[in-house]
Amino acid sequence: AQSVSQHNHHVILSEAASLELGCNYSYGGTVNLFWYVQYPGQHLQLLLKYFSGDPLVKGIKGFEAEFIKSKFSFNLRKPSVQWSDTAEYFCAARSNDYKLSFGAGTTVTVRA
Amino acid sequence: NAGVTQTPKFRVLKTGQSMTLLCAQDMNHEYMYWYRQDPGMGLRLIHYSVGEGTTAKGEVPDGYNVSRLKKQNFLLGLESAAPSQTSVYFCASSVGLAGPNPPNEQFFGPGTRLTVL
Repeated sequence: AQSVSQHNHHVILSEAASLELGCNYSYGGTVNLFWYVQYPGQHLQLLLKYFSGDPLVKGIKGFEAEFIKSKFSFNLRKPSVQWSDTAEYFCAARSNDYKLSFGAGTTVTVRA
Repeated sequence: NAGVTQTPKFRVLKTGQSMTLLCAQDMNHEYMYWYRQDPGMGLRLIHYSVGEGTTAKGEVPDGYNVSRLKKQNFLLGLESAAPSQTSVYFCASSVGLAGPNPPNEQFFGPGTRLTVL
């Protein structure tokens, strides 16, 4: 089964700072990768996804992620965060079945 | 389209009580899932279904049962609730493997916050 690890449990930063959240997965074959965001009190929403092709994926709200196969990584980035980016972020991976494995999540707090 | 809806939004149970959580989707998705979300543990799959009339165990199925009598509905049951089942429960759905590419993006409901005393 796929396992996903997220390096940071809680990240605190100021508005306009750059954000990078780490994600590593365990499966070595074909993998589909996702980043979901959960704003306070809301359900999970898809930020971006990688299935194949260009390893640099652009998502909504200015987020992007880079798939590095050799490092089993799919890190999420945003050049300049806003207060509204305060949320919990989940990395997820799907290998050879239809189930997703989620990381433990990273709470991001952006201070105005 | 309402997407994925869940009822109820909140519930408090006493140990030993039973309840059913309802998930409904109007996207004609084949696959449906039940997760629980606990602090520091992300989302863990409880049960899932790959089509009407089928169910299967996920990562943490003990203490839960599910049914998929209709394609659009996926019910999660707790027969005898325990404090360890205090959690936020999310339902999700996705197209099947025969769906349009790319498949398997999951769409989530708003969640049910369950407290077992």
